[in-house]
Amino acid sequence: NAGVMQNPRHLVRRRGQEARLRCSPMKGHSHVYWYRQLPEEGLKFMVYLQKENIIDESGMPKERFSAEFPKEGPSILRIQQVVRGDSAAYFCASSPPGLSGPSTDTQYFGPGTRLTVL
Amino acid sequence: DAKTTQPPSMDCAEGRAANLPCNHSTISGNEYVYWYRQIHSQGPQYIIHGLKNNETNEMASLIITEDRKSSTLILPHATLRDTAVYYCIARWGGSRLTFGEGTQLTVNP
Repeated sequence: NAGVMQNPRHLVRRRGQEARLRCSPMKGHSHVYWYRQLPEEGLKFMVYLQKENIIDESGMPKERFSAEFPKEGPSILRIQQVVRGDSAAYFCASSPPGLSGPSTDTQYFGPGTRLTVL
Repeated sequence: DAKTTQPPSMDCAEGRAANLPCNHSTISGNEYVYWYRQIHSQGPQYIIHGLKNNETNEMASLIITEDRKSSTLILPHATLRDTAVYYCIARWGGSRLTFGEGTQLTVNP
């Protein structure tokens, strides 16, 4: 069973461009979480999605950031008009639906996308 | 989610057991204790979790005190590859993970 996949692993953008980060959850997982890790800082929650639904976006910056998890295909984190402060590692995690209760919805992380804004 | 407190750093000799403590005195009855680690700048790796009983898997053991106010992650035979930042997180099901500062464990040869 393949793990969580993220691509690209490294992404370089110039200020003002758009960045699209993709996350394919583990097989059988329908929940996706995005986290951001700024240089020399801890991981911070951004958004929690289920298929076609945003469940919790309380950690998302109010502007320029959006996320989706369509019925088919990977989850996408989109950053419009990137600025240097967006340079960070973006991690995606997936979990199965908690059909048997919270003990079964452990989050498993992908390798991350390192975004560098020039 | 309940706040957790961990020592900022610990050292351990290779081959010895590494015991990483975590305090979570305000944990609620339905919050699980999760442990993750992050090796260098890789994606966090799930280690183990538990509610109130001690747990063991192929990676580690988790000992939770009877009052659930603290826990200890045990790596029975630490190797150099276990050098990482270890995060203890109190979490109820279906919610985000709130990462603190964690403990930097350094395994020395």
